[in-house]
Amino acid sequence: DVKVTQSSRYLVKRTGEKVFLECVQDMDHENMFWYRQDPGLGLRLIYFSYDVKMKEKGDIPEGYSVSREKKERFSLILESASTNQTSMYLCASSSLQQGALRETQYFGPGTRLLVL
Amino acid sequence: AQSVAQPEDQVNVAEGNPLTVKCTYSVSGNPYLFWYVQYPNRGLQFLLKYITGDNLVKGSYGFEAEFNKSQTSFHLKKPSALVSDSALYFCAVRDSRGRRALTFGSGTRLQVQP
Repeated sequence: DVKVTQSSRYLVKRTGEKVFLECVQDMDHENMFWYRQDPGLGLRLIYFSYDVKMKEKGDIPEGYSVSREKKERFSLILESASTNQTSMYLCASSSLQQGALRETQYFGPGTRLLVL
Repeated sequence: AQSVAQPEDQVNVAEGNPLTVKCTYSVSGNPYLFWYVQYPNRGLQFLLKYITGDNLVKGSYGFEAEFNKSQTSFHLKKPSALVSDSALYFCAVRDSRGRRALTFGSGTRLQVQP
């Protein structure tokens, strides 16, 4: 079974703090993604990575950065947390072995972040 | 650009009755369509996908979905709902000419009453 883990289930931070969200997958997947989920808005893509040290901006990258130094790990960084970044953050991964664009994304359990 | 619409915020159905959760999409090329389910305080679980072939796709937990190209729809169905099916359901699309990430709908909450 594919396993995607996220470092924290719940996180409380203060405005202005630097926040790191970690995601690890154990299936040697090439692609990794960060989404945020807000009620009524579904999931919105923040960043994704299709290879080590490679990254592409998603739909809402402002205020976020990412790091992928190893294939299995994809980190989301909030450089200076703000209250409007309070949300559920979901990490996902997928493999190109199913064929590019046809692959299934597998999700981690999510991190619920509260910024005070 | 690719987009997905889930027109219903919530669907209520009695246990044992058939259920349908609606999804329509817009893409430039061929669509690759997915359904995910999210239980409370959990991540998303993959249910099924349409890539090519038969328009009726069968997935996990007795769910199926029908791809209709002319109506650009991919509705999720189940013949007999269970209380345990109560959850948040997301439809997602990827365009064959587009980016690798999925575009998600806003989600539909399914409530199955005993």
